[in-house]
Amino acid sequence: EAQVTQNPRYLITVTGKKLTVTCSQNMNHEYMSWYRQDPGLGLRQIYYSMNVEVTDKGDVPEGYKVSRKEKRNFPLILESPSPNQTSLYFCASSLKRGLGYGYTFGSGTRLTVV
Amino acid sequence: GNSVTQMEGPVTLSEEAFLTINCTYTATGYPSLFWYVQYPGEGLQLLLKATKADDKGSNKGFEATYRKETTSFHLEKGSVQVSDSAVYFCALSEDTGGFKTIFGAGTRLFVKA
Repeated sequence: EAQVTQNPRYLITVTGKKLTVTCSQNMNHEYMSWYRQDPGLGLRQIYYSMNVEVTDKGDVPEGYKVSRKEKRNFPLILESPSPNQTSLYFCASSLKRGLGYGYTFGSGTRLTVV
Repeated sequence: GNSVTQMEGPVTLSEEAFLTINCTYTATGYPSLFWYVQYPGEGLQLLLKATKADDKGSNKGFEATYRKETTSFHLEKGSVQVSDSAVYFCALSEDTGGFKTIFGAGTRLFVKA
């Protein structure tokens, strides 16, 4: 089944403890992206990647890192999480970087930083 | 800058009622337009899309027409079901040197039996 898989689904952590949210897609998509969803703010893009070893900042990149060493994987790294990073995170992929290609989304990771 | 504006929710309808969720956009070029649906506890799913003016996207009984003259992409369904209860997001993609997708704030739909 074609899908984007994120792990974990739920995570509670403490301020400053490094964490990684994994994202993997099995559709050979070139383009991958991370979003956070917050009440009243909608979806905001954190980082995106147009292909292996090519990443760039989205609208809210502060406090996050990403890497794209393989085409299928695009992990999101929080080096020192803070409470304002408590949010619902989505990984998404698209066949290519282009206007007509929609996203396939993962099921989301609900992160709470205390 | 580019933006997407959706009607505020929640929208509450009875089963078999007609649905319209309004979406308007601002863009400097010629964007592609999308509707996504998010069911409780799940990620967004692509519902339909249109890539140029006057195109009509359709899927699962939902339709939307790309209207350049009114910069709109309203979502419609003739007869909603309880299973259509979800949050609906309008989005645009535009390449202005950097490929970017912008999402509206989402409209929650409740359908009562």
